[in-house]
Amino acid sequence: GAGVSQTPSNKVTEKGKYVELRCDPISGHTALYWYRQSLGQGPEFLIYFQGTGAADDSGLPNDRFFAVRPEGSVSTLKIQRTERGDSAVYLCASSLGPGNYEQYFGPGTRLTVT
Amino acid sequence: GESVGLHLPTLSVQEGDNSIINCAYSNSASDYFIWYKQESGKGPQFIIDIRSNMDKRQGQRVTVLLNKTVKHLSLQIAATQPGDSAVYFCAESPYSGNTPLVFGKGTRLSVIA
Repeated sequence: GAGVSQTPSNKVTEKGKYVELRCDPISGHTALYWYRQSLGQGPEFLIYFQGTGAADDSGLPNDRFFAVRPEGSVSTLKIQRTERGDSAVYLCASSLGPGNYEQYFGPGTRLTVT
Repeated sequence: GESVGLHLPTLSVQEGDNSIINCAYSNSASDYFIWYKQESGKGPQFIIDIRSNMDKRQGQRVTVLLNKTVKHLSLQIAATQPGDSAVYFCAESPYSGNTPLVFGKGTRLSVIA
């Protein structure tokens, strides 16, 4: 079956612009996670959805970052007034749901802010 | 705060030899640990996991060892192959249930043919 997909694969934007990154989780997975990975580092947690609601958004760095999952499947990570420090690979992962730990990752979106 | 780290940032091994990648964790409350493999330009790929009530788990060519006394995790890869070349991350889940993972920095494994 299809894995986690993310679009676009690459995004280049100018400082100050708004961007949206999309994640399509594995069908039937109720839990969805966003992570950010800087070069040479491990992924860092941003936000976690269980169904439609954000169960934990403690990893969002500031109020320029926001994510939604209105129908409990596809999620969009939104970044306002982008800064050069936002440049990273944004990874999405999904898992079956509560009590099931294994997270399946998508290929990521490489965001470059110029 | 809690952290998951690695002892060695790079590891070079001869094809056919066994590889051992180590990881230290600091949160004694963590109850779930995972090893991921990440190839260039791809997302992390699940390799093997272990719960805190176990000290060893084996998969195909891989073994994970957990030493809770010293808070140490290791990944052993038997008969390392060129396709094993990648960055390996350990990750922990600090709480029971479906929670975000805390990743270490990663170890780059290079297999010499």
